[in-house]
Amino acid sequence: GAVVSQHPSRVICKSGTSVKIECRSLDFQATTMFWYRQFPKQSLMLMATSNEGSKATYEQGVEKDKFLINHASLTLSTLTVTSAHPEDSSFYICSAITGGPNTGELFFGEGSRLTVL
Amino acid sequence: DAKTTQPPSMDCAEGRAANLPCNHSTISGNEYVYWYRQIHSQGPQYIIHGLKNNETNEMASLIITEDRKSSTLILPHATLRDTAVYYCIVTNAGKSTFGDGTTLTVKP
Repeated sequence: GAVVSQHPSRVICKSGTSVKIECRSLDFQATTMFWYRQFPKQSLMLMATSNEGSKATYEQGVEKDKFLINHASLTLSTLTVTSAHPEDSSFYICSAITGGPNTGELFFGEGSRLTVL
Repeated sequence: DAKTTQPPSMDCAEGRAANLPCNHSTISGNEYVYWYRQIHSQGPQYIIHGLKNNETNEMASLIITEDRKSSTLILPHATLRDTAVYYCIVTNAGKSTFGDGTTLTVKP
């Protein structure tokens, strides 16, 4: 079946550095991908919609200059956490839908756990 | 996107059917119902989805009411490995709002 893969699965960085997380659709093309953030014991929170070839759409309260999203191809979206701080430590998850809207299946990646020291 | 309401927790005996309810009273006509589960520190695992007809796959069955305002996920023979947080979401073109889900605990 369709698979969405994220890399890295875990990353530890120093405060002030930037971290890039990749989200790939392995056997299908995804014009749209979604990025979520999940804090411990909380549900997933939608951060932004990543659109291939155009700017991402951010949810209210999510800083677009802090969380840079690039969707350069139909199989890859990247999330870069810029100037990371300890409060950015979280579980970041992406998703993508196969086929057309609501005709395919919505799959999620394995998640990337970011720890900022 | 429509929001969903689920009970915060449920217990189920191993080998028994687990029936997880979900209310989505504001669902619109073009939104699908999806069910996922999440085990600690992993991404959500797809279980099943549907529009208005009942659906069944190797993992579960999905029962959607005729008015589409609620649905039930059925795990026919729960095992200990089914212990997880189960999320019901409704989505149009993949953009989804997650509620708090139901923590299902399967007990021996």
